[in-house]
Amino acid sequence: IQLTQSPSSLSAYVGDRVTITCRASRSISSHLNWYQEKPGKAPKLLIYTASSLQSGVPSRFSGSGSGTDFTLTISSLQPEDFATYFCQQSYNTPPTFGGGTKVETK
Amino acid sequence: QITLTESGPILVKPTQTLTLTCSFSGFSLSTSGESVGWIRQPPGKALEWLAFIFWDDDKQYSPSLKNRLTVTKDTSKNQVVLTMTSVDPVDTATYYCAHRRSYGPGDWCFDLWGRGTLVTVSS
Repeated sequence: IQLTQSPSSLSAYVGDRVTITCRASRSISSHLNWYQEKPGKAPKLLIYTASSLQSGVPSRFSGSGSGTDFTLTISSLQPEDFATYFCQQSYNTPPTFGGGTKVETK
Repeated sequence: QITLTESGPILVKPTQTLTLTCSFSGFSLSTSGESVGWIRQPPGKALEWLAFIFWDDDKQYSPSLKNRLTVTKDTSKNQVVLTMTSVDPVDTATYYCAHRRSYGPGDWCFDLWGRGTLVTVSS
């Protein structure tokens, strides 16, 4: 299953609402996870099962969608949120990842 | 608290075998339901899943790399070892191990990751 993320990169200001999309090549129900990646650090789970917030993750992060179309939203971008975000499907094996979205400061 | 740490060579020559170790704490791979995965990321590219090893010693491999990968566990040491044979420069990547958390039939995620280890394949 191929996952296509868009955009591949975006520029935003602190305080902006940011939306990242992930489209699956076929229906994956709600088996979609989102991760944040920063250079030199371990990737961090943000959202699992499309919309469940991982413990400890700020509530400004939210996920939605099912079937083939999914969204990760950051309601008010904070300085620590400048990073790369990946989606990943757990619907079947092999699990696959999206190409990533790099969120940069404008 | 679960932690994972990858270790292995920084530089490997083409055609050699790469051996990476994931040392973990906070869970046991002898406990029912537990699993560890390996994922890699070539520079500037997307993440790619490589393998799983499960508590019952079941294993799953990436179809494209299946013939070159072997994953094993040592529950007494809390370690998982990934070996990749016949490496090539395209295998240059940061290699991560991650804890797989299952929370329902077919539902799982990588809830905790190591920081990764960069492996360069070059002569």
